[in-house]
Amino acid sequence: DADVTQTPRNRITKTGKRIMLECSQTKGHDRMYWYRQDPGLGLRLIYYSFDVKDINKGEISDGYSVSRQAQAKFSLSLESAIPNQTALYFCATSEGQHYEQYFGPGTRLTVT
Amino acid sequence: AQSVTQPDIHITVSEGASLELRCNYSYGATPYLFWYVQSPGQGLQLLLKYFSGDTLVQGIKGFEAEFKRSQSSFNLRKPSVHWSDAAEYFCAVGALTGAQKLVFGQGTRLTINP
Repeated sequence: DADVTQTPRNRITKTGKRIMLECSQTKGHDRMYWYRQDPGLGLRLIYYSFDVKDINKGEISDGYSVSRQAQAKFSLSLESAIPNQTALYFCATSEGQHYEQYFGPGTRLTVT
Repeated sequence: AQSVTQPDIHITVSEGASLELRCNYSYGATPYLFWYVQSPGQGLQLLLKYFSGDTLVQGIKGFEAEFKRSQSSFNLRKPSVHWSDAAEYFCAVGALTGAQKLVFGQGTRLTINP
C-alpha cells in the first residue's frame, strides 16, 4: 500500500462549489504539506503543518483552507472553487528535522 | 528567501546519450538541495539530496549531482539515459533555518529519442 494517499485522484467541479481534497499517510511523519503544480511554474506551497496544532500559510494560500484532523490526515478545502484553481494538487510529508518530502500521487482538479 | 532556477524547460536527448540538467539556486547560506523526478501521472520521487560533505552525490537510477558553491549550482547528470528516464525533473532548495520549507524550480521536461 502507498505511504501517502490522496483522494480523489481526479475531480471535476463547477465554479462556486466547495470541494475537499484529502491526504492520508502511514509513514508516521509529523509534517504535512499541500502544493499545487501548474505547467511552467513548478510546485508552489499552499499550506503546511508541523503537527496537529500547527498550521501555516504557504506562498499561495488565498482561496484555500486546511484541516489537520490527526497526525496522519491533512485536508485541503476550496470554499468556493474558481477556474484558476484548476491544477494538479500534491500532498507531501516529512519527518522532523529531515528535509526529504514524500509525495502522494496527486489530485487532478478541474474547475469549470 | 531562497529561490531555484532551472533554465531548461524542455530537453531532448537520444537513448544512450549523456544527460545534464541544470539547476541554479539563490540562498545566503549553505542550502539543502534535492532533485525529484515526476513520471507521467505519478507523484514526485526523490532522486538524490545534498546536505553537506562530499559535493558529488549519488542517487537512485544511476543519477548523480554535483554541488558547486562558487556557481550556486546543483546540476543533475547521468552518463547514459534510458527511455524510462523520460519524465519531468525538479530541483528544490531548503533553508537551514526557519520553517524548513522547500522551494521548487519550474521543472525540466526530458524527452528521450529512440
